[in-house]
Amino acid sequence: EVQLLESGGGLVQPGGSLRLSCAASGFMFVKYGMSWVRQAPGKGLEWVSSINIDGADTYYADSVKGRFTISRDNSKNTVDLQMNSLRVEDTALYYCATDPYGTRYFVGWGQGTLVTVSS
Amino acid sequence: QSVLTQPPSVSAAPGQKVTISCSGSTSNIGNHYVSWYHQVPGTAPKLLIYDNYKRPSEIPDRFSGSRSGTSASLGVTGLQAGDEADYYCAAWDDSLSGWVFGGGTKLTVL
Repeated sequence: EVQLLESGGGLVQPGGSLRLSCAASGFMFVKYGMSWVRQAPGKGLEWVSSINIDGADTYYADSVKGRFTISRDNSKNTVDLQMNSLRVEDTALYYCATDPYGTRYFVGWGQGTLVTVSS
Repeated sequence: QSVLTQPPSVSAAPGQKVTISCSGSTSNIGNHYVSWYHQVPGTAPKLLIYDNYKRPSEIPDRFSGSRSGTSASLGVTGLQAGDEADYYCAAWDDSLSGWVFGGGTKLTVL
């Protein structure tokens, strides 16, 4: 069973930084693409970033490009999201999600970690 | 404004059927698989339909998916109170080089 556990969320001031981490278990991590999807309070799902199985290919939503960096450690079964220059509009619950083929579907989701950007 | 367009809400009585539409373009639904997720408020999304029409083993056959051209739809028959949730469609988008989601549809069982 796919299990994903996010951590690292919290309260940060505008312009600040935060690093989210997602620990994966229950599946062959090295063969799955990984993504971050966020959900602002009361809003829908918004894709943030994805990384392929070996970390060579990364993708970002225009809203976070140049500010966020996704990375993965296949030896530790983890995927991170480094978030810099945070804005109030980045406030959201950030979900880690995994897809077995990279562009077909998210087979598993974590419970999310809350990021609040406020002064 | 979401790239994929869904109705904000649908409703029907218990036992009835509803259909949720998802409209996109050739850069997403037209050339990539569609997946559907349901989300009970306060919980994480869960995969409902993948590869346009396939169901994970734990999802009952009351749920069905289809795709035609640049649109997709989710059907739910035999509505139950427990089906009340938000439903999202998603697909990869070649133009954006990323995932796109619908804005979500709130299903209410009257």
